[in-house]
Amino acid sequence: AQSVTQLDSQVPVFEEAPVELRCNYSSSVSVYLFWYVQYPNQGLQLLLKYLSGSTLVESINGFEAEFNKSQTSFHLRKPSVHISDTAEYFCAVSPLTGGGNKLTFGTGTQLKVEL
Amino acid sequence: DAGITQSPRHKVTETGTPVTLRCHQTENHRYMYWYRQDPGHGLRLIHYSYGVKDTDKGEVSDGYSVSRSKTEDFLLTLESATSSQTSVYFCAISEGGAGGAFFGQGTRLTVV
Repeated sequence: AQSVTQLDSQVPVFEEAPVELRCNYSSSVSVYLFWYVQYPNQGLQLLLKYLSGSTLVESINGFEAEFNKSQTSFHLRKPSVHISDTAEYFCAVSPLTGGGNKLTFGTGTQLKVEL
Repeated sequence: DAGITQSPRHKVTETGTPVTLRCHQTENHRYMYWYRQDPGHGLRLIHYSYGVKDTDKGEVSDGYSVSRSKTEDFLLTLESATSSQTSVYFCAISEGGAGGAFFGQGTRLTVV
C-alpha cells in the first residue's frame, strides 16, 4: 500500500518569490511519482513526473521537482511564481508493477500567489 | 487535452435515487478510473477498469458499482444515493506504466 503526505494545506506567496511545496510518500514497493495541478473548476493536469534516472525533473512552465529516495520526498519548487500559478497542487504515486496507474494522492496544497 | 468527456457535468439528486455518471474517451486507453474529490481528502479511487468487462474495487467502493461494456465508456452507478456521496467525481484514463493518468473535467454531484 502507498500513502502520500502533503504537509502544507495552503501556501501563500508573493508574486516573483520562490516557493516549495512539500511531498513525502510511503510505499512498500517501487513507485512512479507525479505532480498534478488543478485550476478552479477544472480537472487535474499532469505537471511533471519522476520515473527513473536524473532525480531532478522539470516542467515546461518553470516548475521542478527533486526525488530524494532516502527521505522519500518529491518536493515541488519554482524560483519565481506568477499570479497564474494560483491553483491546487497534488502529489501522487503509483506502483511500478501491477498494471495501470492506480494513483494514490496527497490531500493537496493550495498555492495562492499575491501581488 | 486528452479526449475524455464526463456527463453530466452537474447533477442534483434526491437521497435514495439511482444515479449514473458516464465517462467517454476517444484515446483508446486500456485503463479507466473513477475518483472522488472531497476537501481534506484529495482524490480517492472508487473503481477502475483494466479492460472491457474487467473492473476492480478501489479504496472507497462501498455504495458504487461500475460497468465497462466498450473500451470507450466507463459508467459509475450509485444504486441509492446518500448525502455522503455528495462530491466531485473525476474520470481518468491511462495506458499504464510510466505515462501517468489523464483526467476529465469532473462531475459535481449533490445529493439532497
